[in-house]
Amino acid sequence: QVQLQESGPGLVKPSETLSLTCAVSGYSISSGYYWGWIRQPPGKGLEWIGSIYHSGSTYYNPSLKSRVTISVDTSKNQFSLKLSSVTAADTAVYYCARSVLSYYFDYWGQGTLVTVSS
Amino acid sequence: AIQLTQSPSSLSASVGDRVTITCRASQGISSALAWYQQKPGKAPKLLIYDASSLESGVPSRFSGSGSGTDFTLTISSLQPEDFATYYCQQFNSYPRTFGQGTKVEIK
Repeated sequence: QVQLQESGPGLVKPSETLSLTCAVSGYSISSGYYWGWIRQPPGKGLEWIGSIYHSGSTYYNPSLKSRVTISVDTSKNQFSLKLSSVTAADTAVYYCARSVLSYYFDYWGQGTLVTVSS
Repeated sequence: AIQLTQSPSSLSASVGDRVTITCRASQGISSALAWYQQKPGKAPKLLIYDASSLESGVPSRFSGSGSGTDFTLTISSLQPEDFATYYCQQFNSYPRTFGQGTKVEIK
């Protein structure tokens, strides 16, 4: 059974870099699929951040592209998100998910709330 | 970016009711649409992909239809566990985008 688990600081200061990791179990990232990050501000809708293939090929949301880096570590079976120069607008629950052909998302992590505040 | 507009934004319905949610795309997306269900404090759950294909394990009371710009998610007989927020998502082009959500509440 595929399982994803986000981890990282729950509080980040403005202008700093948000860093999250998604550990995958029950499936080898090297076997295929894309792996993505989606966020949801409190009480609001879903926003796709970006996706990565095990080869390292990435797709990013243009609205965040200048600040986002997604990377993959196949040896640890995990992938990561870095979002730089954060502001309060980046406060959200961040989800990692498996993406079928980089189309839709069939397995999701439970989500982790990241608050941007001094 | 392709915009997805869901209607209604919320609805009240009773157990056993037939419920229909609409998702309209700002430009044609063929059948590149998925539907998700999200309950409070939980991650979204995939229900439908390719506009009308039912994800494995999802009850058959859920169905999707449409192509081009207009899509619908139908729950044929609403069950207590179906009260949640539903989102559509397009994967015809980047960036992937979601509708604003439709909250289904108990009448």
